[in-house]
Amino acid sequence: EAAVTQSPRNKVAVTGGKVTLSCNQTNNHNNMYWYRQDTGHGLRLIHYSYGAGSTEKGDIPDGYKASRPSQENFSLILELATPSQTSVYFCASGVDRGRGDTQYFGPGTRLLVL
Amino acid sequence: GEKVEQHESTLSVREGDSAVINCTYTDTASSYFPWYKQEAGKSLHFVIDIRSNVDRKQSQRLIVLLDKKAKRFSLHITATQPEDSAIYFCAASRASSGQKLVFGQGTILKVYL
Repeated sequence: EAAVTQSPRNKVAVTGGKVTLSCNQTNNHNNMYWYRQDTGHGLRLIHYSYGAGSTEKGDIPDGYKASRPSQENFSLILELATPSQTSVYFCASGVDRGRGDTQYFGPGTRLLVL
Repeated sequence: GEKVEQHESTLSVREGDSAVINCTYTDTASSYFPWYKQEAGKSLHFVIDIRSNVDRKQSQRLIVLLDKKAKRFSLHITATQPEDSAIYFCAASRASSGQKLVFGQGTILKVYL
């Protein structure tokens, strides 16, 4: 089974502070994704990556940056956190064979911005 | 861009009955339609998918139907069990989009005795 881990699992941040969420996968998947989950919205894609050194904007990238320094690691950075970024964040990884494939999700990070 | 609408926000069924969750999508180029399950307090995991070259797929008690003309797909869970209680998400993507999934809002399924 694919293994995707996230840290921290819970985070309380102050408005205007910097927050970094980390994700690690041991599946050697090229693609990695960051989503946020909010009631009534399902999951929404923030940033994604096709491989080390690449980052792409998803559907709701404003206020977020991403970094993919290696195949295994993908970070989500909130430079100036706001209360509207309070949410549950999920990282996922997947292969890309050009036809759609399963994504494997991490356990999630619960972020509260005060 | 693609929009995926999940029609039932909550669904309650008696154990042993069938549950049906319906989704519609807007992008005619979408060709991959997975379903994910999220149990209470946990992460999402894949349950079943369908690609646009077929209109029906079954895996044990799960059946997915795809109607490309209507841009609609549905998840049928037969002979429901209490452990089927969870949030179910449908999603859609184009084959060439780098697997960018667009998710529906989720359906809370409750199976009662």
